[in-house]
Amino acid sequence: DAKTTQPTSMDCAEGRAANLPCNHSTISGNEYVYWYRQIHSQGPQYIIHGLKNNETNEMASLIITEDRKSSTLILPHATLRDTAVYYCIASNAGGTSYGKLTFGQGTILTVHP
Amino acid sequence: DAGVTQSPTHLIKTRGQQVTLRCSPKSGHDTVSWYQQALGQGPQFIFQYYEEEERQRGNFPDRFSGHQFPNYSSELNVNALLLGDSALYLCASSSLSSGNTIYFGEGSWLTVV
Repeated sequence: DAKTTQPTSMDCAEGRAANLPCNHSTISGNEYVYWYRQIHSQGPQYIIHGLKNNETNEMASLIITEDRKSSTLILPHATLRDTAVYYCIASNAGGTSYGKLTFGQGTILTVHP
Repeated sequence: DAGVTQSPTHLIKTRGQQVTLRCSPKSGHDTVSWYQQALGQGPQFIFQYYEEEERQRGNFPDRFSGHQFPNYSSELNVNALLLGDSALYLCASSSLSSGNTIYFGEGSWLTVV
């Protein structure tokens, strides 16, 4: 799996958009970008994933650059409950390493009142 | 529709003992992966089961073993427990035939004393 690089921590004001960047410059053509978050002592929660097109669901939007070397997770209106560790992962969704996610240290997002 | 369920949620074992953790995948999922998450670290891939066979394995010793049953549920066994095995053990389920989203359970907290 391609290595991903994320800032160690970020702050965001409640109600504002939180934009979490991720660098994956060595991503291969068949690797998806996955985002998960983990609130203390709970299992990782799936947020969104994409291959090359931008994706949106009820939780967030994922913007992937055209060269696929970086992406941004957008939480449009952050709440205090969005405070968590956010993990960006590049993974081959259908190949021999299917289902194996390589987690880094993630970004600690703190949402302030 | 129940998500990924794990049991027990917490347990304490003595060094040298053996432990069995259990996982029921999300309905419709046939692939189960296990992860270990030490305090302050991201989850680390242990192994994956598909069609009752171990398909992939991370860098973990043979003391870690598993099993998958015909109903796709899975067990993680750890023998000769060490203090360093204290961690959150996470189960993740997925299925290539129903998309490539991977869902995690809430985990089993293991403390070795």
